Amino acid sequence: DIVMTQSPDSLTVSLGERATINCKASQTILYSSNNNNYLAWYQQKPGQPPKLLIYWASTRQSGVPDRFTGSGSATDFTLTISSLQPEDVAVYYCQQYYTSPPTFGQGTKVEIK
Amino acid sequence: EVQLVESGGGVARPGGSLRLSCAASGFSFDDKGMTWVRQAPGKGLEWVSGINWNGDRTDYLDSVKGRFTISRDNAKYSLYLQMNSLRAEDTAFYYCARISSPLVRGVIDYWGQGTLVTVSS
Repeated sequence: DIVMTQSPDSLTVSLGERATINCKASQTILYSSNNNNYLAWYQQKPGQPPKLLIYWASTRQSGVPDRFTGSGSATDFTLTISSLQPEDVAVYYCQQYYTSPPTFGQGTKVEIK
Repeated sequence: EVQLVESGGGVARPGGSLRLSCAASGFSFDDKGMTWVRQAPGKGLEWVSGINWNGDRTDYLDSVKGRFTISRDNAKYSLYLQMNSLRAEDTAFYYCARISSPLVRGVIDYWGQGTLVTVSS
């Protein structure tokens, strides 16, 4: 199985500041035939189901604010929130869908300082 | 509007069974793969099972293989998860979710609210 490891486990950031979450895959999730990275990012607020933010590592889902940016390739990926807002308090998960079983990172909790 | 509504959760004894259902609406159900993802209380997300658009391909987490069966009824816009030989470690919220493609695995673009399964004696 591909192990997804996120860092840090938790993050406290001031309003308006940048938040950066890293995600490392235990093997490449870049499919060379189509040059796509099979990685998604989800946001889960307390008491709610997860919500898709980013897929193919850097494509923003419709309706997601442009302060959320995904980057990276192969085994190393990053989710950046450029200017943290109160509504961004949540747990963020990366997930690979390159191979079975699809696996998630352990989650990164983002809080306001 | 895409809606996914789970039902069938509850309390089961170890070794018992439960059948989860998911009613889908707001999209062409037979165009999409579907999946179940679970989350133990206070813990992270764990993929459980997936099924492609017409049900002829399924996939399972190793720890549930032989115990859980995923199925779908496209005429009823419904997804199911039959869970047998339940164990304490199966205790979790179970989310029904839509895959953005017709395949058995892919981007999960919509999630239901979840249903809680508790396995306890």
